Amino acid sequence: DAKTTQPTSMDCAEGRAANLPCNHSTISGNEYVYWYRQIHSQGPQYIIHGLKNNETNEMASLIITEDRKSSTLILPHATLRDTAVYYCIVRVANRDDKIIFGKGTRLHILP
Amino acid sequence: GAVVSQHPSWVICKSGTSVKIECRSLDFQATTMFWYRQFPKQSLMLMATSNEGSKATYEQGVEKDKFLINHASLTLSTLTVTSAHPEDSSFYICSASGLAAYNEQFFGPGTRLTVL
Repeated sequence: DAKTTQPTSMDCAEGRAANLPCNHSTISGNEYVYWYRQIHSQGPQYIIHGLKNNETNEMASLIITEDRKSSTLILPHATLRDTAVYYCIVRVANRDDKIIFGKGTRLHILP
Repeated sequence: GAVVSQHPSWVICKSGTSVKIECRSLDFQATTMFWYRQFPKQSLMLMATSNEGSKATYEQGVEKDKFLINHASLTLSTLTVTSAHPEDSSFYICSASGLAAYNEQFFGPGTRLTVL
């Protein structure tokens, strides 16, 4: 899997949009950008993934740059429950390959 | 999404004893299961990959004789920590993937192991 680079930590005010960046400059053409999050003492939770088009679901939006070298996960209205470590991972979709987790971004939602 | 469970959710044991952790895929057949370990304030570290009916593949530095993995059915994998010591205290997480789940990985809730 290609490597990703994320900020170590970020703060965001409750009710505001949280924008989490990720750099993946060595991403291959068949690799997708995946985002997971891990709330304290829980297993990782899938958030969203995309190839090149922007994606949106009930949890978040994913914006991928045209050159695919970076992306941003957007939580439109952050709540205290969104406090977690967010992992950006690039991998080939629909394959049971192992996932190697980086250090992720620790997002603190401030009341 | 597909559901993966782990049992127990937490366990405390004495040093030298063995502990078994179960990972189950509840609504799909998991041809591949993965075991991770996570120490406080650190990221998940992959320990091993197991395919149903075959021996697990361990990551470099993980002792296969200490961390026994069995994946005897398409819905169950077990991790046994043998002769546990305090340094084995950690958060153990499994994930499962299968064709019916589009080969995406779904994670269990984790098991907190404390060795006294």
